[in-house]
Amino acid sequence: GAGVSQSPSNKVTEKGKDVELRCDPISGHTALYWYRQSLGQGLEFLIYFQGNSAPDKSGLPSDRFSAERTGGSVSTLTIQRTQQEDSAVYLCASSLGANTEAFFGQGTRLTVV
Amino acid sequence: GENVEQHPSTLSVQEGDSAVIKCTYSDSASNYFPWYKQELGKRPQLIIDIRSNVGEKKDQRIAVTLNKTAKHFSLHITETQPEDSAVYFCAPNSGNTPLVFGKGTRLSVIA
Repeated sequence: GAGVSQSPSNKVTEKGKDVELRCDPISGHTALYWYRQSLGQGLEFLIYFQGNSAPDKSGLPSDRFSAERTGGSVSTLTIQRTQQEDSAVYLCASSLGANTEAFFGQGTRLTVV
Repeated sequence: GENVEQHPSTLSVQEGDSAVIKCTYSDSASNYFPWYKQELGKRPQLIIDIRSNVGEKKDQRIAVTLNKTAKHFSLHITETQPEDSAVYFCAPNSGNTPLVFGKGTRLSVIA
């Protein structure tokens, strides 16, 4: 595609439910990142995929968070048993590789009620 | 991992004045130094980057300078305009670690 695409754009879920957020990176980009941004805050790193290497999960805040990247392309971020503090915008970015420009998707705004 | 700090956290300037934002980092292996701009309600976008073999880079009203010895790099915006109002993030990287951003600097340009 022309850019990084994320779906859904908005998601409202009840506390305790599981949610799946999807990211379609730019074709050919080997690096894919997930970030969380709370209102007025910075970009909190969650997880990083680079090619066929094992993902860097060092930013995941708890074991309720997981992510996978199938076939080196589409990625899904899953949050189990959502809590109110999970409410934020979840941003995905992709790049050609290390130390190259990262292109961001428009984000998924998650609201846990 | 990389320890990244940005200063100041907020900055207000009069339109037409210059703005400087500094980013300090801890990993001496860092060799790529980008700055991203995030306007309100929008996604972050790269505005300028520099690699470790270069000390300064300019693109119209914006520039980045690098001091590898002191482990800091700075974003310079001259002749600021209202559309420069945004949050700016640095993300120094060695290529072996994920892209981790500083906490951001909120720039307000007052007309």
